[in-house]
Amino acid sequence: GAVVSQHPSRVICKSGTSVKIECRSLDFQATTMFWYRQFPKKSLMLMATSNEGSKATYEQGVEKDKFLINHASLTLSTLTVTSAHPEDSSFYICSATGLRRTTDTQYFGPGTRLTVL
Amino acid sequence: QKEVEQDPGPLSVPEGAIVSLNCTYSNSAFQYFMWYRQYSRKGPELLMYTYSSGNKEDGRFTAQVDKSSKYISLFIRDSQPSDSATYLCAMREAGGTSYGKLTFGQGTILTVHP
Repeated sequence: GAVVSQHPSRVICKSGTSVKIECRSLDFQATTMFWYRQFPKKSLMLMATSNEGSKATYEQGVEKDKFLINHASLTLSTLTVTSAHPEDSSFYICSATGLRRTTDTQYFGPGTRLTVL
Repeated sequence: QKEVEQDPGPLSVPEGAIVSLNCTYSNSAFQYFMWYRQYSRKGPELLMYTYSSGNKEDGRFTAQVDKSSKYISLFIRDSQPSDSATYLCAMREAGGTSYGKLTFGQGTILTVHP
């Protein structure tokens, strides 16, 4: 299957600081990337959809000024959690999809665990 | 009512058992159906991908889709302890403005004990 990486895998930060998470598709060009949030023992909650070169589309209830998404190239998308607070602590997962893949579905990264103190 | 319903379990079976996991859905526009496996603290891994109704087999895994009943299943034969994970069903429409967006079930926690 396709390989999607995320960095960092785990981050601990102080309240009020900003954290950037990178998502890379390693073996295909990702025309669309998705960012999810997952709470313990819960399913994935879609936060936003980003297409390369255009602004991200945020799901209802997700603050676009707090969760900044940039999809500058076909292999890289970033999620920046600005002025993080303890309630932002969660498992953040990205996924990528590309039209050239045989299976046109989403391939997920390994996730980033964010802890805000 | 949620768009996709999946029994969260937990489901515990002995090694070698046949496991049946199911999801029901309400959106008749869903055309693509997937099953993902997620180990603890990891991202979901694609297991099965099917289009429209029918069966698909891959090794010990069989996916079934019955669009008339809005019901999908994943069967695991000869289950192994390494199959212990959370299984998520997911589905999406064929196109339109929501192209690519997946709707997930809640996930079923499966434990296969030796």
